[in-house]
Amino acid sequence: KAGVTQTPRYLIKTRGQQVTLSCSPISGHRSVSWYQQTPGQGLQFLFEYFSETQRNKGNFPGRFSGRQFSNSRSEMNVSTLELGDSALYLCASSLGTSGGLSYEQYFGPGTRLTVT
Amino acid sequence: QKEVEQDPGPLSVPEGAIVSLNCTYSNSAFQYFMWYRQYSRKGPELLMYTYSSGNKEDGRFTAQVDKSSKYISLFIRDSQPSDSATYLCAMSERAGSYQLTFGKGTKLSVIP
Repeated sequence: KAGVTQTPRYLIKTRGQQVTLSCSPISGHRSVSWYQQTPGQGLQFLFEYFSETQRNKGNFPGRFSGRQFSNSRSEMNVSTLELGDSALYLCASSLGTSGGLSYEQYFGPGTRLTVT
Repeated sequence: QKEVEQDPGPLSVPEGAIVSLNCTYSNSAFQYFMWYRQYSRKGPELLMYTYSSGNKEDGRFTAQVDKSSKYISLFIRDSQPSDSATYLCAMSERAGSYQLTFGKGTKLSVIP
């Protein structure tokens, strides 16, 4: 079974630009969560999508947004990039159905975003 | 104060040593506790999960939870160079919540 894939793996953008990152979950998984990982703050939850609906949201500004498509693939968008947005962005895939357990998330390799 | 505190290390030990990794937390609503391992340029992978206070063993790994002290630990016995990675503790309030709160991670190096 293929794992979680994220594209692109590396990205360099300039302050003020916007960026879109993509995540394809494991086949059959309907929930996708996004996390930001930085040396200073560690891994922080951004949001979770299930069946094309945002189900949970972390404490990030509105510049961070996401969406999920009918095939469960998800994208996250960051507008008006700031230097502090430089981070590893990870997505995690899970079944998402009732009875699912917190630990049953599978992470992708991440997209390394550098903002200059 | 962050909800989850974890000593970032780095921690360097000789091969064969017993490693102890720890996290403390302040949110008493956390009920599910996980340990992830993250190799360089990879995403985190689940090592262990526990629900209640007590110990859980899986091979060379033992996870320990003390809810009264809000303290969790991961022990690695007979450490190997392949254990060199960053170890992250994570917690959630509900069984079905995918909204995990992570510690910052401890970078471990096991020297041959």
